[in-house]
Amino acid sequence: EAGVAQSPRYKIIEKRQSVAFWCNPISGHATLYWYQQILGQGPKLLIQFQNNGVVDDSQLPKDRFSAERLKGVDSTLKIQPAKLEDSAVYLCASSFSVRGGTEAFFGQGTRLTVV
Amino acid sequence: KQEVTQIPAALSVPEGENLVLNCSFTDSAIYNLQWFRQDPGKGLTSLLLIQSSQREQTSGRLNASLDKSSGRSTLYIAASQPGDSATYLCAVGNNNDMRFGAGTRLTVKP
Repeated sequence: EAGVAQSPRYKIIEKRQSVAFWCNPISGHATLYWYQQILGQGPKLLIQFQNNGVVDDSQLPKDRFSAERLKGVDSTLKIQPAKLEDSAVYLCASSFSVRGGTEAFFGQGTRLTVV
Repeated sequence: KQEVTQIPAALSVPEGENLVLNCSFTDSAIYNLQWFRQDPGKGLTSLLLIQSSQREQTSGRLNASLDKSSGRSTLYIAASQPGDSATYLCAVGNNNDMRFGAGTRLTVKP
């Protein structure tokens, strides 16, 4: 079974530039999560989708971050404009069910460096 | 709001030791608790998933327990090996999301 795919693996941009990350979840998984993990910290949820609808985006900085999940499959996360403090690893995860109780699987992550 | 804490933040042990990692959470109304392993520069690998109705799960040398009433979970690693060196994260599944602790960075010395 293929896992969660993310691209790119690494990205370096200057502050105020824009960047986009892509995620392809495990086939058949209804729920897709985007997490931000700053060095030395646990992952922080940015946004959660059920199919193509948003379940929770309360911690997404909406003035600069946006995310979409077209057709309830792939998802993109965009930052515009980027700030230095956005340097982190962005992790995508998926699970079969929208509710807790099913296992979540993570991709390899995208390491973003903003200079 | 669910808060998840992991203690200790870092742990160094000699090879062969049995060890326990701790995870505590503030809201006992959880759906599940999942333990992950994260190697440097990598994503998260799921180790064990405990449903809210379960008390423990085992996989090989790993055993995870859950005590919802006290808001605690432990991950027991038997006969540790250098290959177990990684950061271990617990995540608590509530109604709609997963909340993570900051992790315990484990080093197993040969």
